[in-house]
Amino acid sequence: AQSVSQHNHHVILSEAASLELGCNYSYGGTVNLFWYVQYPGQHLQLLLKYFSGDPLVKGIKGFEAEFIKSKFSFNLRKPSVQWSDTAEYFCAVPEFGGQNTGTASKLTFGTGTRLQVTL
Amino acid sequence: GAGVSQSPSNKVTEKGKDVELRCDPISGHTALYWYRQRLGQGLEFLIYFQGNSAPDKSGLPSDRFSAERTGESVSTLTIQRTQQEDSAVYLCASSFSGGRWETQYFGPGTRLLVL
Repeated sequence: AQSVSQHNHHVILSEAASLELGCNYSYGGTVNLFWYVQYPGQHLQLLLKYFSGDPLVKGIKGFEAEFIKSKFSFNLRKPSVQWSDTAEYFCAVPEFGGQNTGTASKLTFGTGTRLQVTL
Repeated sequence: GAGVSQSPSNKVTEKGKDVELRCDPISGHTALYWYRQRLGQGLEFLIYFQGNSAPDKSGLPSDRFSAERTGESVSTLTIQRTQQEDSAVYLCASSFSGGRWETQYFGPGTRLLVL
């Protein structure tokens, strides 16, 4: 089974500071990777995802993540955070289900990083 | 519909009672997932439905947990003889066809408290 590690559990930053949240995964084969975000009182929603091609992925709200296969990492970055970025961030990787390797049976999530941005 | 909906939004029950949670996926999505999020922990997979295939029940924590899905629409998650450790937010998600690259769209969750 795959595992996903998020080493930063709680991060506090001032507005305009740069952000990098770590994500490491265990699977060594073909990898798809996701970052989801949950703003206070809102649904979990997709921030960005990687499935092939350019390892630098751009997402919504100025976020980006870089897939580094040699390091098994998919760290999330933003050059300048805003107060509205206060949220919980989850890294996730799909596991393949059954004989159809195109089908994901589930997402394995990291434990999440709570980001608090202060004014 | 416009998004994944879940009901009830909150449920308080007594230990030993059965509860039923409902999920309405996005119309046209053939894949449906249930996850659980306990306080201070990440999301853990419970069960997955995709089209007419047999569901993947590998994440169900005990035989007190079961789920059904009617065709490609509504799903219900049933917890029998609830225990305090079942207290959690239960999240439902759907995706178009279950492809590993597809975005899963999450509902607002049902917050379950077992007293």
